[in-house]
Amino acid sequence: GENVEQHPSTLSVQEGDSAVIKCTYSDSASNYFPWYKQELGKRPQLIIDIRSNVGEKKDQRIAVTLNKTAKHFSLHITETQPEDSAVYFCAASPHQGAQKLVFGQGTRLTINP
Amino acid sequence: DVKVTQSSRYLVKRTGEKVFLECVQDMDHENMFWYRQDPGLGLRLIYFSYDVKMKEKGDIPEGYSVSREKKERFSLILESASTNQTSMYLCASSHESKAFFGQGTRLTVV
Repeated sequence: GENVEQHPSTLSVQEGDSAVIKCTYSDSASNYFPWYKQELGKRPQLIIDIRSNVGEKKDQRIAVTLNKTAKHFSLHITETQPEDSAVYFCAASPHQGAQKLVFGQGTRLTINP
Repeated sequence: DVKVTQSSRYLVKRTGEKVFLECVQDMDHENMFWYRQDPGLGLRLIYFSYDVKMKEKGDIPEGYSVSREKKERFSLILESASTNQTSMYLCASSHESKAFFGQGTRLTVV
C-alpha cells in the first residue's frame, strides 16, 4: 500500500524566514496531496492541497510543489509568523475511488520571535 | 462550514471494557474515517466507510470494529480495551478527497 514519509520531524525558524517541509510517497497511482495544520489542542485543518495534474499551487504565504517523477511534494511557508507554529501533516490519496488519505508522521514547526 | 462532532473529548476506561466512540457529520458526506494519532507516528487509518453499512479495514484495524447504520454517523468500537489503545482518536468525513476532522477523543485505558 501507500507509504508517506515526512521530513523533518521538527523545524525551528526565525520569524520572517521561510520554512520548507518535504514528503515522499510510494504509490505512483496517488493523485491528491493535501497539507493539514494542527494547532495545539485543536483538530487538523486543511490548509492547501494539490492534484497530480498540477505542479505548483499558491495561497498567499503558503505554496505546495509536486514532482510526480520523483514522487515527492513540499510545503513552503514564506514570511513566517508566530501563528504558523503548529504541527503540519502531509498526506496522499492512493485510490480515487476510496478517497482514503495516508498521512506522513508530522512536522512540528516552531517560529521564534 | 462542515461540522464533524465526536461524542466525547476525554474518556477513561478500564482494561477489558467495551468502548464506543461516536462521530456525527452534518454535510451528507459519503466517506467517513477513524484515525489514531500518536506522537511521531502521524495519523494512522483504523477503518473507513464509503457508504451506509459499508466498511473497509485501514492500516491498523486489529482490536477495533466499526458501525455505520446511518450516513451521518460512524462509530468506532474497541471490543476489549487494552492499555496500548490509549491514544487520540480522530474521526473525519470527506467529499472529493477533502477531509474534515472532528475535535478528537483522548482515550486513556487504565
